[in-house]
Order: sequence, then structure tokens, then C-alpha cells
Amino acid sequence: GAVVSQHPSRVICKSGTSVKIECRSLDFQATTMFWYRQFPKKSLMLMATSNEGSKATYEQGVEKDKFLINHASLTLSTLTVTSAHPEDSSFYICSARDMRAGGRSEQFFGPGTRLTVL
Amino acid sequence: AQKVTQAQTEISVVEKEDVTLDCVYETRDTTYYLFWYKQPPSGELVFLIRRNSFDEQNEISGRYSWNFQKSTSSFNFTITASQVVDSAVYFCALRAYSGGGADGLTFGKGTHLIIQP
Repeated sequence: GAVVSQHPSRVICKSGTSVKIECRSLDFQATTMFWYRQFPKKSLMLMATSNEGSKATYEQGVEKDKFLINHASLTLSTLTVTSAHPEDSSFYICSARDMRAGGRSEQFFGPGTRLTVL
Repeated sequence: AQKVTQAQTEISVVEKEDVTLDCVYETRDTTYYLFWYKQPPSGELVFLIRRNSFDEQNEISGRYSWNFQKSTSSFNFTITASQVVDSAVYFCALRAYSGGGADGLTFGKGTHLIIQP
């Protein structure tokens, strides 16, 4: 199956700093990538949809200026948490899909990035 | 709007027992996909199954089986002869297909399954 990687797998940062998380599709071209957030013992919540070459679409309640998404190539999307605060600490998971395969295409999930803001 | 309900927050059974995880969904779309994922303590989501709304056939894969009933909007998951390695959080998810939109998944809150030796 298709492989999606995330980097870093864990990050600890100080409050006020910015953190960039990368999501890569390793063996397929991902025209669309999704970013999810998961709080401890909670469900995954879709944050935004990232389309290659265009602006991301954010879900209601997600601050686009705080969670910057860039999908500059068909294999890479980045999520930057700007001016991170302790409440941003969470498990961030990306998924990737090749839209050219149409609605039948599978979403492949990355292994997740655990962000801890001190 | 879509919604997925997993009413069972936590289930604990003894190894070798059968266990069913419930999933009820809501959507206005006539075309949609349903999924089950397993999330072990490592956090990585493991894909188990995808089923589209036009295929109501039940599916069996080894010890796993799924019962899709459109009449009750349910997509239940049964593990037969459970094993300790089955212990994880299981998520049911829904994606509507609007013929061109790239919609993300709507997840249920998950069921924490504990298999005791």
C-alpha cells in the first residue's frame, strides 16, 4: 500500500515558538492532503484540506493564521503551528489521497506527530 | 453535515470472547464511504476496511467481520475469538462523496477495546 511519512514524529517546543510538521507521500502523488488533530483519548478532528497549488480549506473553528498549511508539491504538505501555546499540544496526523483515482481512492494516514508545548 | 456515533467508549472482554463494536452514522448524501481504523498505543492508524454505500454485503476477513445495514445506518464490527493483540482504540469513520469534492473523514469518538488474557 501507499506510504505517508511525517516528520518529526515528536517535538517539544517552548511557548511562543513556531513548529513545522511535514507530511510526505512516498510512493504516490497526493493531490489532496488532510490534517487532523487528536487530543488525548479523543477522536480525530479534521482541521483542514490541503490541495496542491492552492490555498487550504479550513474547517470551522480552526484558525488559518495559526495553523499555516502549504502544499507546494504533489508529495509534500506542511503544517506550521505559529506562536505555539500549551493548548496546541496534541497529536497531529496527516493523510494523503490521490484525487486522480477518483472517489474510490483510499486515504493513507501518516504515523502522526506528537507536539508538546511547554 | 455528517456524524458518526460510537456509543461504546470502552469494552473489556476476556481473550477468545467475541466482541462487537457498534457504529451508527448520519449523512444526507446518497453516496458515501464507511471505514474502520485501528489505533494501537503507538498512535498510527491502521486501515481495516472501506465500504461504499452501494455495497451492503457483509464482509469477513479472518477473525474480523463487518455488518453494514443501511436501514439502520449502522456499520458494526465484530472480532471473533479476540486476542490480546486486538487491544486498541477502534474508530469508525465516514466520508461523503460529492462527485468532485475532496472531503476529509468524519470520525466517531472511538471505542477502546481491552482484551484481557
